[in-house]
Amino acid sequence: QVTLRESGPALVKPTQTLTLTCTFSGFSLTTGGMCVAWVRQPPGKALEWLGLIDWDDEKYYNTSLKTRLTISKDTSKNQVVLRMTNMDPVDTATYYCARTLSRHFDYWGLGTLVTVSS
Amino acid sequence: NFMLTQPPSVSESPGKTVIISCTRSSGDIATNYVQWYQQRPGSAPTTVIHDDNQRPSGVPDRFSGSIDSSSNSASLTISGLQTEDEADYYCQSYDSNNPVVFGGGTKLTVL
Repeated sequence: QVTLRESGPALVKPTQTLTLTCTFSGFSLTTGGMCVAWVRQPPGKALEWLGLIDWDDEKYYNTSLKTRLTISKDTSKNQVVLRMTNMDPVDTATYYCARTLSRHFDYWGLGTLVTVSS
Repeated sequence: NFMLTQPPSVSESPGKTVIISCTRSSGDIATNYVQWYQQRPGSAPTTVIHDDNQRPSGVPDRFSGSIDSSSNSASLTISGLQTEDEADYYCQSYDSNNPVVFGGGTKLTVL
């Protein structure tokens, strides 16, 4: 059974760095073709892809956010970590991690709401 | 970069058929697979169609997907509409320069 769960702070202050962890089970990120992606959704707005990391440790980022994002993995812990620097109130959103196979997001976490406010 | 454009909203009555379009701004829609996700309020998205027209197990056959190269668009068709189909629907695709692109989403209202 594949599951993913996001964890991290619910509230961050402007200019701070957000660190979110995606803990997954039921698959291995060492399997060829396997990826984990991050997607966010501001309240009432559309899904926005942030980035992904693949089984070969290649990372791909949304070009509009690339300078602020870092994605890493710890395969021994079955975790993927997202770091986003210089947080702003417009970054307030629900952040999801999802398993991705051939660019199909087939399993999603429940999401975690992150509010950016002083 | 290419964009995927969806109508912001569609509405239809129970039992009817609705078609949601997803138009690719550049590049051939048929070159890369299109996925469709359903998102109910307060929930994570789930797949209703992947690889243009493939239904995951558990998704009713009332849901179908297609590609039209002449309009460079993908379509999600939901027939026999039910109130439970009321949700937001997102298309998604990619290419070699754009690993993931989501459409802006379509709010389906079942009147």
